[in-house]
Amino acid sequence: AQSVAQPEDQVNVAEGNPLTVKCTYSVSGNPYLFWYVQYPNRGLQFLLKYITGDNLVKGSYGFEAEFNKSQTSFHLKKPSALVSDSALYFCAVRDEMDTGRRALTFGSGTRLQVQP
Amino acid sequence: NAGVTQTPKFQVLKTGQSMTLQCAQDMNHEYMSWYRQDPGMGLRLIHYSVGAGITDQGEVPNGYNVSRSTTEDFPLRLLSAAPSQTSVYFCASSLGRVNTEAFFGQGTRLTVV
Repeated sequence: AQSVAQPEDQVNVAEGNPLTVKCTYSVSGNPYLFWYVQYPNRGLQFLLKYITGDNLVKGSYGFEAEFNKSQTSFHLKKPSALVSDSALYFCAVRDEMDTGRRALTFGSGTRLQVQP
Repeated sequence: NAGVTQTPKFQVLKTGQSMTLQCAQDMNHEYMSWYRQDPGMGLRLIHYSVGAGITDQGEVPNGYNVSRSTTEDFPLRLLSAAPSQTSVYFCASSLGRVNTEAFFGQGTRLTVV
């Protein structure tokens, strides 16, 4: 079975500082990893994904994520936070072995609060 | 580009009532799914479909039915609403390969009283 853990319910950071939102995963085969962002009263928007190749993945709005296979982690990062980055962030995983159901498994979400 | 469209955006139901949440996508995606979002629990898969005429259960299917008569539409039916079904419901679609991202609708906030 596949699973995702986001250990922090909330992350607070000052505008201009770097931010990290943590994610760890568990799958049987190789993982396909995704980050989504949810603004208030909106659906989830895709930020970036790791499929294969370079461990550092760049995505929308200046976000990037680092895949670490030995630590089974996929942390989301941004060098300089903006107040407008304040939102709810979800990490999700699919197992390459799950060619049947192909469902995304989501973490519980991390609320990012960027203070001016 | 409409993407994934869900209706209604908000709904209040009485216990025991039934209703259908609508979902339509215009991207010709073969894979569609329904999730519910509850505080502190992330999104949990209710039902999914890998193509027209094919549906299957996810993690939390009890109390819900789906059908997929066309590629575009994937309605979710609540058979007899219960307060435990108070949640925000999201429909998503994707190309269907395991390495493709999903596109989400705006959500339906359902309250069962």
